[in-house]
Amino acid sequence: ELKVEQNPLFLSMQEGKNYTIYCNYSTTSDRLYWYRQDPGKSLESLFVLLSNGAVKQEGRLMASLDTKARLSTLHITAAVHDLSATYFCAVDFRNSGGYQKVTFGTGTKLQVIP
Amino acid sequence: AAGVIQSPRHLIKEKRETATLKCYPIPRHDTVYWYQQGPGQDPQFLISFYEKMQSDKGSIPDRFSAQQFSDYHSELNMSSLELGDSALYFCASSLESGRASEQFFGPGTRLTVL
Repeated sequence: ELKVEQNPLFLSMQEGKNYTIYCNYSTTSDRLYWYRQDPGKSLESLFVLLSNGAVKQEGRLMASLDTKARLSTLHITAAVHDLSATYFCAVDFRNSGGYQKVTFGTGTKLQVIP
Repeated sequence: AAGVIQSPRHLIKEKRETATLKCYPIPRHDTVYWYQQGPGQDPQFLISFYEKMQSDKGSIPDRFSAQQFSDYHSELNMSSLELGDSALYFCASSLESGRASEQFFGPGTRLTVL
């Protein structure tokens, strides 16, 4: 069974600081997604990483994928309060029928303090 | 751009009642997924359909059933509701044959069982 672990689970950081969220997964996959969720809201797609070494950047967020290490990172640069949310990674692999199956990580609740 | 539509957005039911949640995927998307998210939890996969056939099954209780119709909309039917069924239910859609097969999430239905 695929396991997807994120750490940390909770992150409280000051505005202007940098930090990295880690996403480890237990089986081979070359497709990984990062989502953002605000309280009571839906999941918003942030990044789609499709190959080993993929790096995507949007504003203060940068995501990378190392398929050999089964690791993805979400790096936050100079955090601002608006980034406060829960961030999920999700790993895509194929089930026995060849269909897509996505398993979500446990989520990282980020709080940016002014 | 058109997004995933879910209805109703909020639903309040009594124990042992039934509920039906509806999902309208993004046009031309061929796969629909249902997730359940309890408070403070990551989304738990329930079931998915590809081209109107069940493609995968997750932790969906026997009291729940779902189907995808000829117009690609999907319905999640929940019977004998229990207090523990109170959660946010998300529908997502994707294009299975797409390069990324990225899932796009609807706004969710908040189900409260009293």
